[in-house]
Amino acid sequence: EAGVAQSPRYKIIEKRQSVAFWCNPISGHATLYWYQQILGQGPKLLIQFQNNGVVDDSQLPKDRFSAERLKGVDSTLKIQPAKLEDSAVYLCASSLAAASSTEAFFGQGTRLTVV
Amino acid sequence: DAKTTQPNSMESNEEEPVHLPCNHSTISGTDYIHWYRQLPSQGPEYVIHGLTSNVNNRMASLAIAEDRKSSTLILHRATLRDAAVYYCILYTGNQFYFGTGTSLTVIP
Repeated sequence: EAGVAQSPRYKIIEKRQSVAFWCNPISGHATLYWYQQILGQGPKLLIQFQNNGVVDDSQLPKDRFSAERLKGVDSTLKIQPAKLEDSAVYLCASSLAAASSTEAFFGQGTRLTVV
Repeated sequence: DAKTTQPNSMESNEEEPVHLPCNHSTISGTDYIHWYRQLPSQGPEYVIHGLTSNVNNRMASLAIAEDRKSSTLILHRATLRDAAVYYCILYTGNQFYFGTGTSLTVIP
């Protein structure tokens, strides 16, 4: 079974530039999550989709971050403009449903460095 | 807003059992307890989860206290490949809330 695919693996940009990350979840998984993981910390949820609808984006800095999940499959996360504090690993995860008894599958993440 | 408390780090000798503790005193009746681990430069990986009863799978065992305010992840024989950060997570409000986890070092 193919896992959650993310690209790119690494990205270096200058502050105030824009960047986009792509995620392809496991086929058939309705729920998709984007997490931000700053070095030395646990992942923090940015946004959660159920199919192509947003379930929770309360921790997404909406003045600079945006995300979409077209057709309920692939998703993109965009940062515009980037700040130094956005340097982190951005993790995408998917699960069959948003249910407490299901496990989530994570991609390897995209490591973003803002200089 | 971490909902679980774990020691920052633990050490274990190879091939010995490891007990990783977690406190979750604010757990509600419908919250599942999940454990994930994260190897260096990898995304988190599912280990085990449970609600009230103890659980076993091929990777580990999960012992849940009777009042559900704490749990313990048990690795029966630690190997070098088990060196990772282990996260104890409450699944609540349709979300996984990660804490800072326990960094496990396995000594050969």
